[in-house]
Amino acid sequence: GESVGLHLPTLSVQEGDNSIINCAYSNSASDYFIWYKQESGKGPQFIIDIRSNMDKRQGQRVTVLLNKTVKHLSLQIAATQPGDSAVYFCAENISSGGGADGLTFGKGTHLIIQP
Amino acid sequence: ETGVTQSPTHLIKTRGQQVTLRCSSQSGHNTVSWYQQALGQGPQFIFQYYREEENGRGNFPPRFSGLQFPNYSSELNVNALELDDSALYLCASSTGQESGTIYFGEGSWLTVV
Repeated sequence: GESVGLHLPTLSVQEGDNSIINCAYSNSASDYFIWYKQESGKGPQFIIDIRSNMDKRQGQRVTVLLNKTVKHLSLQIAATQPGDSAVYFCAENISSGGGADGLTFGKGTHLIIQP
Repeated sequence: ETGVTQSPTHLIKTRGQQVTLRCSSQSGHNTVSWYQQALGQGPQFIFQYYREEENGRGNFPPRFSGLQFPNYSSELNVNALELDDSALYLCASSTGQESGTIYFGEGSWLTVV
């Protein structure tokens, strides 16, 4: 089975509201986590990452939270805009050895912004 | 723009044929990995190349093979194409270091008929 999964396939939010996208992972050896945004017909776009020695990291309008105790990752998007509509994937990796095991992705959450 | 470019963007092949997909990595990135993304699914890791050597592989059969060149560009070759090989093939590059961010290209859409 997949090591990383997402709780909801679709999330609908009002424009201007905050969005929270959740992700669960099962490989306790993973130490590097990334959120990607993928728009229709395009490749995954890097949003933000976090390493296992941190529990929170902030970017521009985005925050990633990591809870290693329950193996849970979340992406918070503040003041959601129409351009945020996309599928969001979390991915995990074991960064030692140059991450040669590759990224493990979940199935994705489709974020829909309501006007 | 991630600096990772892939070609071709779209192609159609017949079952049993062979295909070669190409990727130019971001400047300064010596590590390239390939992923297969079926419609509605997350990307699946195929393999990774570091300094022209394959140093990691996912659960894909040997008919999926690759190359990395001295300039760190890369190819993905798939032999004996099957209908289930129809997917978006993504190339990603990074510095290969633990702190290196992994950037993806826009992908190559392969349809096998």
